Amino acid sequence: GAGVSQSPRYKVAKRGQDVALRCDPISGHVSLFWYQQALGQGPEFLTYFQNEAQLDKSGLPSDRFFAERPEGSVSTLKIQRTQQEDSAVYLCASSLQGYEKLFFGSGTQLSVL
Amino acid sequence: QKEVEQNSGPLSVPEGAIASLNCTYSDRGSQSFFWYRQYSGKSPELIMSIYSNGDKEDGRFTAQLNKASQYVSLLIRDSQPSDSATYLCAVSYGGATNKLIFGTGTLLAVQP
Repeated sequence: GAGVSQSPRYKVAKRGQDVALRCDPISGHVSLFWYQQALGQGPEFLTYFQNEAQLDKSGLPSDRFFAERPEGSVSTLKIQRTQQEDSAVYLCASSLQGYEKLFFGSGTQLSVL
Repeated sequence: QKEVEQNSGPLSVPEGAIASLNCTYSDRGSQSFFWYRQYSGKSPELIMSIYSNGDKEDGRFTAQLNKASQYVSLLIRDSQPSDSATYLCAVSYGGATNKLIFGTGTLLAVQP
């Protein structure tokens, strides 16, 4: 694939709904990161995968947030019982290894009403 | 105290001038430093990386690192209107994790 692909591009959810955000990294990229970017802020680290192993989930803001990458390729970020404060752009990034040269997807803009 | 600090700007410079963007970080164990550029409504794109004290040049861009002062900067020479964007400083979190911490970014506006 040409780059990191994220879907959906936009998601509107009612407060309390569950959402699932998909990330398809560049083929062969071992490392995958999820970031949350609020308007006017820098990306905030959420979680990191190396292949299928979730090595760091220290940035997930609550137990409503859950991420998986079961086959070491596509990853899904799930947010349960969405709240207004979850409204942000969710960025996925991948790299050949670690945090050297991250390639970002276009992001999913989540709006919780 | 945020782990990576940047002046949010906007930093306004005339076309052709040198733009100087600054970043400080709190973790003395950090070893890797990056500058990402983010155009409005787009995703971040890596433009420079630096790992050792001193200067690193790539075209019109120069990254500078001073680990003793916990300071990293980006100079853009001959600034062009197309350089207008938010510049994000990113620092590796010290230790075994592969966590990259971003600053809030500095908005650069190059005036034609």
